[in-house]
Amino acid sequence: DGGITQSPKYLFRKEGQNVTLSCEQNLNHDAMYWYRQDPGQGLRLIYYSQIVNDFQKGDIAEGYSVSREKKESFPLTVTSAQKNPTAFYLCASSRNYTSRNAYEQYFGPGTRLTVT
Amino acid sequence: DAKTTQPTSMDCAEGRAANLPCNHSTISGNEYVYWYRQIHSQGPQYIIHGLKNNETNEMASLIITEDRKSSTLILPHATLRDTAVYYCIVRVAPGNQFYFGTGTSLTVIP
Repeated sequence: DGGITQSPKYLFRKEGQNVTLSCEQNLNHDAMYWYRQDPGQGLRLIYYSQIVNDFQKGDIAEGYSVSREKKESFPLTVTSAQKNPTAFYLCASSRNYTSRNAYEQYFGPGTRLTVT
Repeated sequence: DAKTTQPTSMDCAEGRAANLPCNHSTISGNEYVYWYRQIHSQGPQYIIHGLKNNETNEMASLIITEDRKSSTLILPHATLRDTAVYYCIVRVAPGNQFYFGTGTSLTVIP
């Protein structure tokens, strides 16, 4: 049963602590993405990776870090430098981007992070 | 940098067709139009995408105007489970980045 898993679904942390969110996919997709969603708003891109051992900053990368050591895994670390870390975090994957094809993104169920 | 414009909210009677409009007047020639929906506190779900021609699948139909500056997503027989936020997205290269706006909140009324 192919798909994207994110764990945990709910996560609570104290301010000043780093926290790592898990994202795993078994779709054999090359590209993976992390988005953040705040209440009543759309998704904003944090980081994306088109291939193993490579990743690029999205629109709101400050205070976040990622790694892509394996094709199926793309963990996101929310560091203490992120000023407003409380949000809903969504991971997605797709076949790799090429200019002449359309590849939809498949999303995981999300992790709701609360930092107090 | 908004790429699409959608109404904030819409209602639709159960069993009727839901027509969700989207304006993308600055779309370029090789950019696809995608539609996703998000049910509360879940990950977005892919619905359909298109480039120039109208498209249909088991979930919906996508009508794209000839000048490609707007499109309409059609849910032919809306059910209560179609209540969700619907996002119209124009893919932006490089990196297959999607810009999600605030979408249209569709409420299907019994």
